Amino acid sequence: EVQLVESGGGLVKPGGSLRLSCAASGFTFSSYSMNWVRQAPGKGLEWVSSISSSSSYIYYADSVKGRFTISRDNAKNSLYLQMNSLRAEDTAVYYCARRQQLVYYFDYWGQGTLVTVSS
Amino acid sequence: QSALTQPASVSGSPGQSITISCTGTSSDVGGYNYVSWYQQHPGKAPKLMIYDVSNRPSGVSNRFSGSKSGNTASLTISGLQAEDEADYYCSSYTSSSTPSYVFGTGTKVTVL
Repeated sequence: EVQLVESGGGLVKPGGSLRLSCAASGFTFSSYSMNWVRQAPGKGLEWVSSISSSSSYIYYADSVKGRFTISRDNAKNSLYLQMNSLRAEDTAVYYCARRQQLVYYFDYWGQGTLVTVSS
Repeated sequence: QSALTQPASVSGSPGQSITISCTGTSSDVGGYNYVSWYQQHPGKAPKLMIYDVSNRPSGVSNRFSGSKSGNTASLTISGLQAEDEADYYCSSYTSSSTPSYVFGTGTKVTVL
């Protein structure tokens, strides 16, 4: 069974940093692209970042470019999101989502971890 | 990248059919057959319902169908059931700046 479990969320002050993790199981992690998608409270979904299976291709939404860094450790079946210079508008539930190679949709999602940026 | 436009809410009675629209541009919906739809119940993770405009993943009811015309994609739910009450989001691949994905504004489906 495919499982994606996010962790690392919490309350952080504006300008602070946080590192999210996503532990994957039930599939060959190193064969899939991975993504972070966020959802502000009561709002819609927003794609944040993607990383290819071997980390060769990395992309970010303009709203987080230069502040967030996506990475992965295939040996540990884990995905990460380092978030720096956090702003109030980064407050959201952050989901990790799996994408197969050469397809353009997210077939499995984690349950999400809440990040709250507030003083 | 602006969000794709969806109606805020759509409602229907059990057994009826409803359609949710998703309007984008030639850089996303109109430019690729890579539209997907996600269902999200309150407090839950999104679930893939349709991919590549009109394909259903294994396990998704055939009451759900998708289509596209020009810059507008649509999700139709036929034989509406109580458990279909949820938020629905469309998504499209876009290469307008860097390869990325854009989601719709979301539609709340209410079963009357």
